[in-house]
Amino acid sequence: DARVTQTPRHKVTEMGQEVTMRCQPILGHNTVFWYRQTMMQGLELLAYFRNRAPLDDSGMPKDRFSAEMPDATLATLKIQPSEPRDSAVYFCASGLPGLNTEAFFGQGTRLTVV
Amino acid sequence: GENVEQHPSTLSVQEGDSAVIKCTYSDSASNYFPWYKQELGKGPQLIIDIRSNVGEKKDQRIAVTLNKTAKHFSLHITETQPEDSAVYFCAATGTYKYIFGTGTRLKVLA
Repeated sequence: DARVTQTPRHKVTEMGQEVTMRCQPILGHNTVFWYRQTMMQGLELLAYFRNRAPLDDSGMPKDRFSAEMPDATLATLKIQPSEPRDSAVYFCASGLPGLNTEAFFGQGTRLTVV
Repeated sequence: GENVEQHPSTLSVQEGDSAVIKCTYSDSASNYFPWYKQELGKGPQLIIDIRSNVGEKKDQRIAVTLNKTAKHFSLHITETQPEDSAVYFCAATGTYKYIFGTGTRLKVLA
C-alpha cells in the first residue's frame, strides 16, 4: 500500500516551542513537496526537493522554518520558534521523476500553536 | 504573478444532477492541469488530470475540458452521488510548482 506517511497527525504546542513534522515519501519517488493549507491562503508551496536537494524554499519564512531530507525515506519540516500564525495543516507530497507528474499527498499534520 | 482562479467557492446540487467547477489560469506556460478532491481530515487526492495537448478527458462520471486559448479548464461531474461531497481543487503547472485554485466545496444533497 504505497502512500505518503506524515507524523504526527495532530500537534498542539505553545508559542515559542520548536515543532518538527516528519514525512515518509512513497518508495521510489524522488520529489518531495511541503505545502501549508489555511482557510485564508489555501494551499501554499513551502519547499520542494528533488533527489533530496532543496530546489525551492522561497515559500518558507526563512527566519523560523527549515526543511531537510536526511535520507530518501525521510523529510522534515521544522519551525523554531513557533507562532500562533503558524497554525495550519501541513501537507507533504511526493512524486515520480519528471515534470508534470502527479503529486501524492499525505494525510497532513494539523498544527495548533497557542 | 502566477494565479489560478476557481469558481464557484461553494456548490450545492441534488443527487443525480451534474456539477461544474471552472478554473482560469494566468501563466501561458502551464501545460499540466490536475484536479484534486479533498475529504474532511484527509489530504488532497488526484481524481483526474489533463495535459495541454488534449482538449477533453473523461473517466466514468468525471470529465475535464481545457481551452488553452482562453486559459480555462473545467471539471464536470455527472450523476452526482453523496460521496462526491468534498472540496475540489484545480491546479496548473508548467514546472514542478503547482498553483492551486482556492477550492470549491461541493455538497450533494440526497
